[in-house]
This record gives sequence, C-alpha cells and structure tokens, in this order.
Amino acid sequence: EMALTQSPATLSLSPGESATLSCRASQNIGTYLAWYQQRPGQAPRLLIYDASNRANAIPARFSGSGSGTDFTLTISGLEPEDFAVYYCQQRLIWPPFTFGPGTKIEIK
Amino acid sequence: EVQLLESGGGLVQPGGSLRLSCAASGFTFSHYAMSWVRQAPGKGLEWVAGINGLGSEPFYADSVMGHFTVSRDNSQNTLYLQMNSLRAEDTAVYYCTKEMGLTKPFDYWGQGTLVTVSS
Repeated sequence: EMALTQSPATLSLSPGESATLSCRASQNIGTYLAWYQQRPGQAPRLLIYDASNRANAIPARFSGSGSGTDFTLTISGLEPEDFAVYYCQQRLIWPPFTFGPGTKIEIK
Repeated sequence: EVQLLESGGGLVQPGGSLRLSCAASGFTFSHYAMSWVRQAPGKGLEWVAGINGLGSEPFYADSVMGHFTVSRDNSQNTLYLQMNSLRAEDTAVYYCTKEMGLTKPFDYWGQGTLVTVSS
C-alpha cells in the first residue's frame, strides 16, 4: 500500500523566515500530490495541487515542487497565520487517498 | 459560495450506530465526487470513504470496510455516512469534502462533526 512520509515532524521558525517541508512517497506518484494547511481548531485548507499549482486564493509565498517520490512545500517569509500543521496527500493510487502524518510549523 | 455543513455527530456507545449528513450548496453537487475524512483527537487526517458524482461507485478505506456505508442524494444535495458497529477507534471529527475533479484533491471542506464512541 502507498505510504507518505513527511519531514521534519516539527519545524521551529520565526516570522519572516522561510520554511521547507518534505513529503516522500513509497511509490512513484508522478505529480499527483497535494498539500493542505490546518490551523488549530479549523478544517484543513487546500494549498497546492498537482505538486506545484496553487489553489484559489492561496498567496504566492506558498510554492510546491517535485515529482515521482520526492516533493517539497516552500513558504517564503512566514506570516503569523502560517504557523499550522501541513499535510501532503497523494491522488494517484487509490483507495485510499493517503495523507502524510503532517509537519507542524511552530513559532521559535 | 461553496458550503458544506455536516450534522449528526454525537456521543454513542460502542457497538452503536450513527448517520452523518453533509448538506452541500454553491456548486452542482451531482458533478463531483465527495468524500469523508476523519481526524482522531490530536492525530492526523484519515480518508475513510468516498463516492462518485452519480452515487453508483462507493469506495472505502480498509479500516471502515463493512461497517461504514457512504451514499448521496443528489436531489437533496446531501452526502451521508452510515456508521454501524462503532468502536472507540472511530472517535474523531468527521469532515465532508468535495473533490476538485478526477484525480484532483479536496478543494472544499466542511467544519466537521465530532463523533465520540464511549460507554
């Protein structure tokens, strides 16, 4: 079964710094990868789909890259509202639509 | 504006049943596959069940196969999740989600409804 791993589990950064999050798939998934943001107490929100396309109304500081098994989400210049948990999800091999375990960005 | 409003969560004893509903608006409901995603307290996201736009093809995670049933009523723009033989490990917030399209991710999520399985 498809598995996604995310690293690091926690990232401690200050506002204004950049964040680089990694997602690795156990099988080649092309670019069928999405990223979601979940703020405390809120539902997840789609950020990136097809590895590098920003969803509607997502700021340009969020960017995604990668293909095959290795993917990256970059946040250039963290804003206070960006401190949250980020999940990747694969959409090629289903069911299930696998999510990664998440990376939490916390304020340093 | 797309809106997804879940209802039906609550406290249920182990072995009991519950039916969740998700009222959708702001888009042509029958054109999109829908899914349920859950999140146990303090844990990550787990996709549990989905169904195509016509309602003819449901699909499930192994963890719920045989005790959850997903369905939809396109005339009422409503998605359902019938949960039977509930276990403590089914305790979670259940989110209704809309897919962007074939092979695409979930572009809209409801606010979730909490299901607690406990005696």
